[in-house]
This record gives sequence, structure tokens and C-alpha cells, in this order.
Amino acid sequence: QVQLVQSGAEVKKPGASVKVSCKASGYTLTNYGLNWVRQAPGLRLEWLGWINPGKGNRKYSQKFQDRVTIIRDTSASTVYMELSSLTSEDTAVYYCARGQSRGYNGHDDAFDIWGQGTMVTVSS
Amino acid sequence: EIVLTQSPGTLSLSPGERATLSCRASQSVSSTYLAWYQQKAGQAPRLLVYGAATRATGIPGRFSGSGSGTDFTLTISRLEPEDFAVYYCQHYGTSRITFGQGTRLEIK
Repeated sequence: QVQLVQSGAEVKKPGASVKVSCKASGYTLTNYGLNWVRQAPGLRLEWLGWINPGKGNRKYSQKFQDRVTIIRDTSASTVYMELSSLTSEDTAVYYCARGQSRGYNGHDDAFDIWGQGTMVTVSS
Repeated sequence: EIVLTQSPGTLSLSPGERATLSCRASQSVSSTYLAWYQQKAGQAPRLLVYGAATRATGIPGRFSGSGSGTDFTLTISRLEPEDFAVYYCQHYGTSRITFGQGTRLEIK
């Protein structure tokens, strides 16, 4: 069964960083791109960035590029997203989502498999 | 940045009825890069349509997408009880992927 399984909920203080993991199973991680998307309460879905787990190249949303880092550990079939300098506005559910085109080295792809989401709460 | 505006914000219909959801882009976009997702409460989004009109794997035939340029439509021909959810359009063809604000489809 193809799935993405994310790490559990996090509570962080303002100014801290958070690192969320996304483990792929049922398919080869390096064959598909992997994106990160967040959904804050009452706001629309927001794309943070993408990684090609096979080649390691990445693309970040301009809005987040100074604060977000996406890395992969192919031996663990896992991709990580780290967001730094957290504020209350970063409180959201964070999703990883697979690009649907096998072997495609680009972020411009629809998302066919999603993780279950990780709630990140930023509060003092 | 391409802004996607969905309408209506909420659509109240009964099972068996036809639903028409709209997504308007702030500038003309390639239909190759327009997708629709369904999201139920407490769940991740689910891909329905990509390339504006191609149904994703396993999506029932009652879902269809159409449109070009700045105006795109998701149509659900005959609503089933499980179709009541929130629907998002997405443009993924630029350096910044964006989503619409969503249309809530509720039971009348």
C-alpha cells in the first residue's frame, strides 16, 4: 500500500524550529518528487517547497525560502521539513504530498498521495 | 503570483443533484497545470482531477473537470452522500504553487 506517514504533533515556542518527517512506504522514494504544504486554521492550503529525493535538488516557495529546509534520507525512505524562527502564524497542519509523475524532475506536478498531516502549534 | 478565486464559498445541494464549482485565475494559466482536490474533515486532500480535465486514478466518472484560460469548473453530475466536503483548485505550473480558498459543498 502506497502511503506517506508523518511524525506526530509538535508544540513549539516562538523563535524555535520544528522538524517534521515523512516516511514513504509501498513505493521507492527516489522515483517521485515530494512536496510540503500547510493548512492554517481558516486559511487556504499553502505550498512550502519540493525536493527530488533521487537527485536532492529542491525548490522553495519565495515566501518561506529563508526559513524552510527540506532534506532527504534515502536509506530511511524519509523526507524531512524544518521550519525555523517560528511565530504564532506558523500554527498549522503540515502535510507532505507526492508528485504524481514517476521519474519527473520538477515541482510542477499534481499531488497524488498525501501524508496524514502533522499539527504544529506555536505558543508561548 | 497567480491568485485562484473559487465560487461559491458554500454550495447547498441535495444528493442526486448536480454540483458546479468554479475556479477563476487572476491571469491566464495553462490547463496542463490545474488540479482539483477534495478534502473531508480531519483528512488530507485527495486528488480528483489534474490537467484541468483528467480524472485521477480511482475517481468516479461523476466527477469531471473543464475550462481554460482563467476559468475552470469542477462538475459532480449526481451527488452522492460521500461527496459533501470541501473542494480546492490548485495551479502548479509556476515557481509558486497556489490553491484556491475552497468551496464547501454541504447537504441541503
